[in-house]
Amino acid sequence: DTEVTQTPKHLVMGMTNKKSLKCEQHMGHRAMYWYKQKAKKPPELMFVYSYEKLSINESVPSRFSPECPNSSLLNLHLHALQPEDSALYLCASSQGRGSQNTEAFFGQGTRLTVV
Amino acid sequence: KQEVTQIPAALSVPEGENLVLNCSFTDSAIYNLQWFRQDPGKGLTSLLLIQSSQREQTSGRLNASLDKSSGRSTLYIAASQPGDSATYLCAVRKAGTALIFGKGTTLSVSS
Repeated sequence: DTEVTQTPKHLVMGMTNKKSLKCEQHMGHRAMYWYKQKAKKPPELMFVYSYEKLSINESVPSRFSPECPNSSLLNLHLHALQPEDSALYLCASSQGRGSQNTEAFFGQGTRLTVV
Repeated sequence: KQEVTQIPAALSVPEGENLVLNCSFTDSAIYNLQWFRQDPGKGLTSLLLIQSSQREQTSGRLNASLDKSSGRSTLYIAASQPGDSATYLCAVRKAGTALIFGKGTTLSVSS
């Protein structure tokens, strides 16, 4: 099973709403990632969790708040977003640091529209 | 800072052609390189992973090569099919970091 599951697939939210994106993997991976992808652009790294600890935070605005409750789950909490935050949000996982095989697997993404 | 460049940005070929997609990176001290496929509005599907100590990897009609010293990788697609139409992304990783992506090559295969 090389599946990373993201929910919801689509989300429309107003600028005053609070919502959460969810990501789950059961491959035993210890590194999980959030990427943001705008149309016709490559994915851009937002956050990295390694062994449930935030290890990389690419200076993302505080209206995005990541959470890693356990090694299989990764959430992205959204609050007071702006229309320019509309994008495809991708979750990924890999075995983590020190592993010889660090192949990354991605979910199908959440298409977020902020109105 | 690592930069990844993919050439060409777009490619249109008739069905059956063999084709090569190119990827170059500025910092040769990479841990591995991964090729992905992305269909419009969808997530990324891993195609091939090449470790820094490897020269190439093969999966079906796909063959990826890596020349770490020159900072180059190629993805060779044999006997292209309309179902191969997608955007192909190259990404590199240094030890302890996340993937850094190129902008991709959008491939269109006509029947």
